[in-house]
Formats: sequence, structure tokens, C-alpha cells
Amino acid sequence: DAKTTQPTSMDCAEGRAANLPCNHSTISGNEYVYWYRQIHSQGPQYIIHGLKNNETNEMASLIITEDRKSSTLILPHATLRDTAVYYCIVRARGVTSSSNTGKLIFGQGTTLQVKP
Amino acid sequence: NAGVMQNPRHLVRRRGQEARLRCSPMKGHSHVYWYRQLPEEGLKFMVYLQKENIIDESGMPKERFSAEFPKEGPSILRIQQVVRGDSAAYFCASSPDTHSYEQYFGPGTRLTVT
Repeated sequence: DAKTTQPTSMDCAEGRAANLPCNHSTISGNEYVYWYRQIHSQGPQYIIHGLKNNETNEMASLIITEDRKSSTLILPHATLRDTAVYYCIVRARGVTSSSNTGKLIFGQGTTLQVKP
Repeated sequence: NAGVMQNPRHLVRRRGQEARLRCSPMKGHSHVYWYRQLPEEGLKFMVYLQKENIIDESGMPKERFSAEFPKEGPSILRIQQVVRGDSAAYFCASSPDTHSYEQYFGPGTRLTVT
């Protein structure tokens, strides 16, 4: 799986947009960008994924650069409940080799603190 | 549709005892992943199972740890002769197949070894 780089921590004011960057310069053509988050002491939660086009769902938007070497997760109106560790993960879909079986490789993520 | 269930939510064991952690995947899901989160650390993959088969155990410690996912019943992560370093949160996740984009995580089991 490709290595990702994220800032260790970020702050955001409640009600404002939170923009969380992720670098994945060694991403392969068949690898997707996934975002998960972990609210304190809970199990991780899937947010969104994308391959090369920008994606939007009810939780967030994902902007992927044209060269696919970086992406940004956008929470359009952050609330206090969005305070969490956000993980950017790249992996291929499905089982593609004995070492790439769909498991998620979590880095340290970005700790987002939403402040009132 | 019930989510991924894990039990117990909290488990206390003395050094040398056995710990059994159970994971019931979402209905219709036949793929289970186990992850471990040591205190103040990130999540680490342990093992990936399909019904009755271990697909990838590259993250499992070589000794004392085992996992199964029988044809009937929950997936079990078993830790024999626990040591203090096994104290952690253990999460399982499930997916319907290998091509699913999402893994759905349970609430975790917090194991404390005294």
C-alpha cells in the first residue's frame, strides 16, 4: 500500500469548513483514496473514497488532484462532533496479491479539533 | 440492520490467562478483519478471515494469538497466556466481499491485563 502523509493536528472553528490534506505521491493507478475517522474510543468510521474524480456524500467531499498525488477531505460545516482522528488510506480494491488483501493500513492520521 | 457487534466490550484478565474476543459481522457479511490499537498508538491490522478460512494473518503475532471464523457463529480472536503488553483495544470490521469499498467497524473490546 502507498504511504500517506498527513499533518499531525489541525484546529477548526465550529461552523466553518475543515480542509484536511493528504499526500500520497507513490499511489498506484489501481489504488483508491479512502478516508476514515475515529472519534475518541470508538471504532473507525468510513467517510468517503475516490479514485480520480472528486466525490461528495452526505458527510464530506473529497478533492483529488489531477496527478493523484494528493487529496483533501472537506467537512463543509464542522461541528463539535466532528472532533476526531482522520485517516487517509490508499489501497487497491479487492484482493490483488498475497500482500494486498484489502486490509487497511492506518497511519497516525490528523487529529482535528473543532472549537466553539 | 444491526451493525458489527463485539463482546465483551471490556475484558480484564490476569497475566497468564486466556482472552477470547468475539465479533459478529453485519448480516450478510462473510469477511472479517481484526485490528489492534495499543494505548496512544494507531490501529494495526492483525488478520483477515473469510468463513472457515484465514486469508491474511501477516499482522498476527507468531505466538499465543489465533483467530477463527467458523461456518456458524461469530469470529473469535483468542489470546493465550496474556501479558501486560496485550492490553489494547481490539476492533473487528466486516465487509460483504473483497471488492467492497467500506469496512464496517465494531465498537471494540478493551482488554486490560493485570
